Amino acid sequence: DQQVKQNSPSLSVQEGRISILNCDYTNSMFDYFLWYKKYPAEGPTFLISISSIKDKNEDGRFTVFLNKSAKHLSLHIVPSQPGDSAVYFCAASVRGAGGTSYGKLTFGQGTILTVHP
Amino acid sequence: ETGVTQSPTHLIKTRGQQVTLRCSSQSGHNTVSWYQQALGQGPQFIFQYYREEENGRGNFPPRFSGLQFPNYSSELNVNALELDDSALYLCASSWRGGGRGRTDTQYFGPGTRLTVL
Repeated sequence: DQQVKQNSPSLSVQEGRISILNCDYTNSMFDYFLWYKKYPAEGPTFLISISSIKDKNEDGRFTVFLNKSAKHLSLHIVPSQPGDSAVYFCAASVRGAGGTSYGKLTFGQGTILTVHP
Repeated sequence: ETGVTQSPTHLIKTRGQQVTLRCSSQSGHNTVSWYQQALGQGPQFIFQYYREEENGRGNFPPRFSGLQFPNYSSELNVNALELDDSALYLCASSWRGGGRGRTDTQYFGPGTRLTVL
């Protein structure tokens, strides 16, 4: 049961343009969402997060949008740079609950972003 | 501020053997989570340790076990290795407040690449 899905395995954009990475989820209990970037042979690097009480969070070139009714979030990178080329993972967690769900991140399969100079 | 470190970087074992992977959490963090990332997939939650006790487990058999030490570092032990255990093992640390306080964003180490022959 894939609770977090990234349906686009790859995305290619031109330097300076906008990159939009998408993520869908099925578990309505998720209340905290994160995006991570991963380079080969490195661990995931935290980019940006959003709580379910918000619909937008911005940090420099990165903006995450959350549409709770559609159970959809997206990451916008503007402008895209060649150094942004990496695998991007969205992840979700249930922060408001205790018990054994606590602190567990559920990840999507990842989207490979390639930014061409 | 020291980030999350993991050792060893790479490891080759044969089927049936046992392996121990180590993780040092980021300074100021008290919670450690372990994830398994198979090739082409997103990380899968194994378990989390808080206050030296397992606090939540994913869909992994009991031959996957762990420890957390008073300095918040952690070990992941895998017994009776199988070929499918070949993967990148990621450790992530975070801060969790007392009681039912929320777990903050998880920060990942570089991972240990385990190959089982």
